Amino acid sequence: AQSVTQLDSQVPVFEEAPVELRCNYSSSVSVYLFWYVQYPNQGLQLLLKYLSGSTLVESINGFEAEFNKSQTSFHLRKPSVHISDTAEYFCAVSSSGNTPLVFGKGTRLSVIA
Amino acid sequence: GAGVSQSPSNKVTEKGKDVELRCDPISGHTALYWYRQSLGQGLEFLIYFQGNSAPDKSGLPSDRFSAERTGGSVSTLTIQRTQQEDSAVYLCASSAMGQVQETQYFGPGTRLLVL
Repeated sequence: AQSVTQLDSQVPVFEEAPVELRCNYSSSVSVYLFWYVQYPNQGLQLLLKYLSGSTLVESINGFEAEFNKSQTSFHLRKPSVHISDTAEYFCAVSSSGNTPLVFGKGTRLSVIA
Repeated sequence: GAGVSQSPSNKVTEKGKDVELRCDPISGHTALYWYRQSLGQGLEFLIYFQGNSAPDKSGLPSDRFSAERTGGSVSTLTIQRTQQEDSAVYLCASSAMGQVQETQYFGPGTRLLVL
């Protein structure tokens, strides 16, 4: 069975500092990987995804994640965070097309002014 | 167009009562998913509908939970004889069908509180 581990439940960081949210998955087959973001009092929104091709994927608001097959990781990074990035971030995996996602337990990112 | 909508947004019920939660997927999306988000458990898959195929019910936690999807569109998740541990946010998502994993679009959720 697939599983996703987000090692940090909470990450406080000062504004304009870099951040990395860690995600590791376990799967014996090819995977599709996702990061979703949940802003306070809002629903889940897709931030970025890896399906195939380039292992580095980017979002429109400056986040990026790199698929590392040997380390079974898909860590999320941003070089300089803003107050508006305060949210909960969920890593998710699926092993085949159009199947339910398996989510990590989430990382709460708090950006401090 | 409109996104995924869910109703009610909040539901408070007494232990032992039945509840129905509704999901309206994005028009044209043939795949529909129900998840549950609770403290300490994160996001858990409940049930999945794909086109006209039989639903994947492997995530339902007990036989008190059931769901149906009428006409390939609207879905209703029913919880019978609710228990306090059923308190959670119930999320619905929909996606198109394609060759690879299509993006799942989530609704705002229904926050269920069982007293």
